[in-house]
Amino acid sequence: QVQLQESGPGLVKPSETLSLTCTVSGDSLSSYHWSWIRQPPGKGLEWIGYIHYSGGTHYNPSLKSRVTISGDTSKKQFSLNLSSVTAADTAVYYCARTSGTYILDYWGQGILVTVSS
Amino acid sequence: EIVLTQSPATLSLSPGERATLSCRASQSVGSYLVWYQQKPGQAPRLLIYDASNRATGIPARFSGSGSGTDFTLTISSLEPEDFAVYYCQQRSDRYTFGQGTKLEIK
Repeated sequence: QVQLQESGPGLVKPSETLSLTCTVSGDSLSSYHWSWIRQPPGKGLEWIGYIHYSGGTHYNPSLKSRVTISGDTSKKQFSLNLSSVTAADTAVYYCARTSGTYILDYWGQGILVTVSS
Repeated sequence: EIVLTQSPATLSLSPGERATLSCRASQSVGSYLVWYQQKPGQAPRLLIYDASNRATGIPARFSGSGSGTDFTLTISSLEPEDFAVYYCQQRSDRYTFGQGTKLEIK
């Protein structure tokens, strides 16, 4: 059974960098794409980007200048860095496996990150 | 950017009734459309992919149809556990989601 678990700080100060890690069990990073998605409280879903099993990345153009996604296949982890955060970046952040190039078939439980001083 | 518009925003129905949810794309997405279900405090769950294929473990009362710009998710007979928010999603230069339809108990 594929499982994903997000981890990282729940509180980040404005202008700093949000850093999260997703740990995968039951699968290998050396297949599929691996995505980050976020959901502001009470709002809809926004795709942030993914890392391909080959190591390539693809980002949402609206966030591209601030986002970096990286992977560590040996640890079965992939990570999200989002720089220069503001209150608008407050959201539940999900990691997910992406199959068929766009199908988010397994999700982590999500982690709430609040941007506040 | 392809915009997905879901309707209605809220759908009030009773258990046993049939639910029809719509997702319209601003330009053709072929059959590359997915439906998710999200319950409060939970991550979204994959229901339907490639417009009409049920994901593993999804009950047969859920069905998807459509292609191009107009898509429909149908729940043939609502169970109490089906009341949730439903999102559609497509791929293009980026993945985008609809704004969601909240299916609530009447």
